[in-house]
Parts: sequence; C-alpha cells; structure tokens
Amino acid sequence: DADVTQTPRNRITKTGKRIMLECSQTKGHDRMYWYRQDPGLGLRLIYYSFDVKDINKGEISDGYSVSRQAQAKFSLSLESAIPNQTALYFCATSDPFTDTQYFGPGTRLTVL
Amino acid sequence: SQELEQSPQSLIVQEGKNLTINCTSSKTLYGLYWYKQKYGEGLIFLMMLQKGGEEKSHEKITAKLDEKKQQSSLHITASQPSHAGIYLCGADLAGTASKLTFGTGTRLQVTL
Repeated sequence: DADVTQTPRNRITKTGKRIMLECSQTKGHDRMYWYRQDPGLGLRLIYYSFDVKDINKGEISDGYSVSRQAQAKFSLSLESAIPNQTALYFCATSDPFTDTQYFGPGTRLTVL
Repeated sequence: SQELEQSPQSLIVQEGKNLTINCTSSKTLYGLYWYKQKYGEGLIFLMMLQKGGEEKSHEKITAKLDEKKQQSSLHITASQPSHAGIYLCGADLAGTASKLTFGTGTRLQVTL
C-alpha cells in the first residue's frame, strides 16, 4: 500500500465551487506539505504543517486554506475555485531525520 | 528568476547513451534531493546529497554535489526506456530543513 495517498485523483469542477483535496499518510511523520505543479513552473509550495497545531503559508497560499485533522491527515481547500487554479496538486510528508520528502500520486484538478 | 535552475529543460537520447542533468542554485545548498516523475504521476525519491563532494549511486544513476559551484549533477549511464520521465531537483536553501525549493524539471525521452 502507498505511504501517501490523495483523494480524489482527478476532479473537474466549475468556477466558484468549493473543493477539498484530501491527503493521508501512514509514515508517521509530523511534517506535511501541499504543492501545486504547473507546466514550466515546477512545484510551488502552498501550505505546510509541522504538526497538528502548526500550519504555515507557503509562497502561493492566496485562494487556498488547509486543515490538519490529525497527524496522518492534511486537507487542502479551494473556497471558490477559479480557472487559474487548474493544476496538478501534490501532498508530501517529510522524514524528520533526513528531511527527504515523500509525495503522494497527485490530484489533477480542472476548474472550468 | 528561479532560485534553482535545471538544465537542459528537455533531453532526447538514444537508448544506451549516457546523459547528464544539472541543477544550479543561486543560494547555498544545505541539502539537495533528486526525484523522478512519470508524466502526470507522483514524484519518486531517488537520492539525497548533503555534503560538498558527496556522490551517490543507485543502479545506473549517479548524483554528485559540488558545494563550491552550488550545483548538483545527475548522470545516467547506458540509458534505458525505463529512465524516461521528468527529473526534478529540490533543495533546502534556507538551512532550516523546513521546506524545499524545486527546479522546473528536465524532461527525458529515451528512443530505441
């Protein structure tokens, strides 16, 4: 079984809709991250969390919010989706000893 | 401009040929991570480099870290179709191990 899972894997929605992307990990790590990937722009950090009570904005947090429900769960919400939020979204968790990040399979989100 | 530049952006090589991908930072590298991504899928961790001059190998892939040049190289020997994908470098540029900055990736195609 995968260590980092994301649901849904694909989602098509309309402008203005609220969307939640979910991430779960079984690695037992405290640190979790949300990124988006766009062609030519690489991975950009949206939010990160060092534990259940610690949440931090990344470089592109506007239009997004997160919830850390438990050590294993970190959700990303788009309160009112807009077309330029169409992207591939990745969740990751990091090993506290090596700082290596392990990624989920991604969620492809399309906002029409 | 990108803090982490990868070159080339894309590469097409014939099966059996060697190739090198570079990742150059505009800041001090405190840790450098290489990942491979199949199109539209998650990132698979390849290797981590932390010390200047460090070199690691896994199967036919070798990564080196040149601390003075603030650069890392990924070398594939005798490329195979299974090596095709997008290679991304990620780096800790702050020395805090709290988050990684990623390059925009190098797309590798291996022809028969």
